[in-house]
Amino acid sequence: GAGVSQSPSNKVTEKGKDVELRCDPISGHTALYWYRQSLGQGLEFLIYFQGNSAPDKSGLPSDRFSAERTGGSVSTLTIQRTQQEDSAVYLCASARQGLGYEQYFGPGTRLTVT
Amino acid sequence: SQQGEEDPQALSIQEGENATMNCSYKTSINNLQWYRQNSGRGLVHLILIRSNEREKHSGRLRVTLDTSKKSSSLLITASRAADTASYFCATDTGTGTASKLTFGTGTRLQVTL
Repeated sequence: GAGVSQSPSNKVTEKGKDVELRCDPISGHTALYWYRQSLGQGLEFLIYFQGNSAPDKSGLPSDRFSAERTGGSVSTLTIQRTQQEDSAVYLCASARQGLGYEQYFGPGTRLTVT
Repeated sequence: SQQGEEDPQALSIQEGENATMNCSYKTSINNLQWYRQNSGRGLVHLILIRSNEREKHSGRLRVTLDTSKKSSSLLITASRAADTASYFCATDTGTGTASKLTFGTGTRLQVTL
């Protein structure tokens, strides 16, 4: 079946603008995760959803970052008033409900803030 | 913050040789997972080992886990050029109904012909 998809694949924006990143998880996966990966670095956890609720938002770096998930499916990550340090690849992953399931990753959105 | 730290940061070997990479972590875990990332295919799950397991095999992969030392190792036997990628360990500290993975900084593996 289809994997996790993300859009856009690339986004270049000017400092101070808002951006929205979209994630379509695998059908039936109730858990959805957002990560950020800076150049040459590991993954930084941002937020995860169980259904439409976000039990853990601890990784969001500032109040400029927010995310929502509707219908237990598509999720959007919004970054307001973007800064140059927001430049990174934003990865989304989905997984089955429960502990100990592997996460399936999307191809990511490369965000460049100029 | 990064819980997992991989060692070495970079590894270069010849095709046919074995590659070993290590991961250390700091807190109690439910399980530990290894992922591979290359430029063409993104992040892919390789293997999961639970906290009550000590060793697990999958094809050419062998993973060990020592919870007393809070460390894990990934062994790739008979490496191939296609194994060239970055390898990340991820510790699962989730509670309730979902996993929470914390990724390490990764080991960049280069396999040459």
